[in-house]
Amino acid sequence: EDKVVQSPLSLVVHEGDTVTLNCSYEVTNFRSLLWYKQEKKAPTFLFMLTSSGIEKKSGRLSSILDKKELSSILNITATQTGDSAIYLCAPSHGGSYIPTFGRGTSLIVHP
Amino acid sequence: DTGVSQDPRHKITKRGQNVTFRCDPISEHNRLYWYRQTLGQGPEFLTYFQNEAQLEKSRLLSDRFSAERPKGSFSTLEIQRTEQGDSAMYLCASSLSSGTDTQYFGPGTRLTVL
Repeated sequence: EDKVVQSPLSLVVHEGDTVTLNCSYEVTNFRSLLWYKQEKKAPTFLFMLTSSGIEKKSGRLSSILDKKELSSILNITATQTGDSAIYLCAPSHGGSYIPTFGRGTSLIVHP
Repeated sequence: DTGVSQDPRHKITKRGQNVTFRCDPISEHNRLYWYRQTLGQGPEFLTYFQNEAQLEKSRLLSDRFSAERPKGSFSTLEIQRTEQGDSAMYLCASSLSSGTDTQYFGPGTRLTVL
């Protein structure tokens, strides 16, 4: 059975802090790993990672995949209150593209 | 707004009633996915379509759940004889099938079964 574990489950920081969110997975026929941000609505796409060791960046967010360790991290630098959300990690299967979502990390950024 | 729409946004029903939800994907996307999300959990995959073909339905939660995508465009998810445990957010997502895994989610339908 596929497993996705995200840590920490919740995190409270102050604006300006840097955070690192972790995702570890056990998925058969791994194809890619996606990160999503979910506020009080549907998840919105952040990153898709397929190759180990190649960092993807978008503004203050960055993410990297380690296929050897079966893990990924999402970094957010200089956090802002607008970063408050649940961050979901979802590795997907080859062929079917069906992702398995973790429970998410709930990030709260205080002003 | 991702371009994926769902209707209705909220549904309150009594136990034992049937409900149907609609999803309209991004127009050029030929893959369509349904998920269920409960509080404190990530989305749980239910089923998906490539065009009008339902390629995976073994994870529908019970035989009370069914989905269709008759013309390869919009899709419906039906729950028959609803139970209180069916209360959840039902999400639809769509993607292109040509080598990308990125799925775009709709706003969801929140179901409350009384």
